[in-house]
Amino acid sequence: ETGVTQTPRHLVMGMTNKKSLKCEQHLGHNAMYWYKQSAKKPLELMFVYNFKEQTENNSVPSRFSPECPNSSHLFLHLHTLQPEDSALYLCASSGKPSGTTDTQYFGPGTRLTVL
Amino acid sequence: EDQVTQSPEALRLQEGESSSLNCSYTVSGLRGLFWYRQDPGKGPEFLFTLYSAGEEKEKERLKATLTKKESFLHITAPKPEDSATYLCAVQVGGSRLTFGEGTQLTVNP
Repeated sequence: ETGVTQTPRHLVMGMTNKKSLKCEQHLGHNAMYWYKQSAKKPLELMFVYNFKEQTENNSVPSRFSPECPNSSHLFLHLHTLQPEDSALYLCASSGKPSGTTDTQYFGPGTRLTVL
Repeated sequence: EDQVTQSPEALRLQEGESSSLNCSYTVSGLRGLFWYRQDPGKGPEFLFTLYSAGEEKEKERLKATLTKKESFLHITAPKPEDSATYLCAVQVGGSRLTFGEGTQLTVNP
């Protein structure tokens, strides 16, 4: 595997389900990010992790719970979601700690549908 | 508040018809401007980073330029495989990228 990978690629869940999205980066980067991309809207930053520590939470509802066990893996735990949470969830990583200008590389995304 | 505006929203070109996409920004203290390409159902693919006014970067048929208020992505003699949504993003402080809404480019054969 190379670059940034995400699983699953597609997920359909009911509002009462609990599921998790997984992201893995194979680039040796130190920072990882979760973004939400909704139709006709710009990408929205959700969370930022540097060296496993959360450094930014962009006022995301508590039904989204991130976890970063190490610099290569990032999870997004989902529970009691709403239909408006249906979107493409993108993971990204960058090589320098946040606070410096550096390029973010994105995974393919997980297409989430909440019924 | 940082703002990024991309125009046009959508652009249709004939193969070989050169054109430009615009990204205008209003930020305090630009640290970097990024261009990405996104195909349907996929994640954004990095194209260029520009750091200061006057800087230019090229890759195949694409050339990105930067001024103090805007960036252009010039596409020379495009091919159908250049069809995608092109995203512009700015970084001001920290790790936050502020994205524009994108320009959806279609190149007809």
